[in-house]
Amino acid sequence: AQSVSQHNHHVILSEAASLELGCNYSYGGTVNLFWYVQYPGQHLQLLLKYFSGDPLVKGIKGFEAEFIKSKFSFNLRKPSVQWSDTAEYFCAVTKNQAGTALIFGKGTTLSVSS
Amino acid sequence: EAEVAQSPRYKITEKSQAVAFWCDPISGHATLYWYRQILGQGPELLVQFQDESVVDDSQLPKDRFSAERLKGVDSTLKIQPAELGDSAMYLCASSLIGLGTGELFFGEGSRLTVL
Repeated sequence: AQSVSQHNHHVILSEAASLELGCNYSYGGTVNLFWYVQYPGQHLQLLLKYFSGDPLVKGIKGFEAEFIKSKFSFNLRKPSVQWSDTAEYFCAVTKNQAGTALIFGKGTTLSVSS
Repeated sequence: EAEVAQSPRYKITEKSQAVAFWCDPISGHATLYWYRQILGQGPELLVQFQDESVVDDSQLPKDRFSAERLKGVDSTLKIQPAELGDSAMYLCASSLIGLGTGELFFGEGSRLTVL
């Protein structure tokens, strides 16, 4: 069965620091990869997604993620975080076939101090 | 911007009572998902519908949980009887067609507290 591991449960950074959140998945076939964000009191929303092509994917709000197939990884990065990036971040994976649901990691809470 | 609507936002109930959650997906979205998110964890799929048909309910505790999407539009998730361990956020999501081609859009969730 597919699974997703997020290495960091809680990350605390100061504004302007760089961010990298780890995500590894287990599935040998072709996958689609996602990062979702949940700001305090809001619903889950898509940050970025990878289906195929350039393994470096750019999303909203300056976030990017790199798919490394050999490492089964899809790490999220941002060069300089802002206080408003404080949120919970979820990595998710699905098989590349219609009708399959998202499998989520347990999430990483990011706290950014100003 | 179209949104997934869920109600109620909050529900407090006593153990052994029945509870129901409602979801109205984005218009035209054929696929509907119910997820459960326990505090501190990621969402876990309970059931997936394609139109009115169940595609995947392998993780749905069928002795107490049921879900339906009778006309292929809105959906109801029911728990009877509720247990303490059911306290969680229940999330509904929809997509145009099954994933592999698109993203899920989530509602704001229904937070259940079982006393």
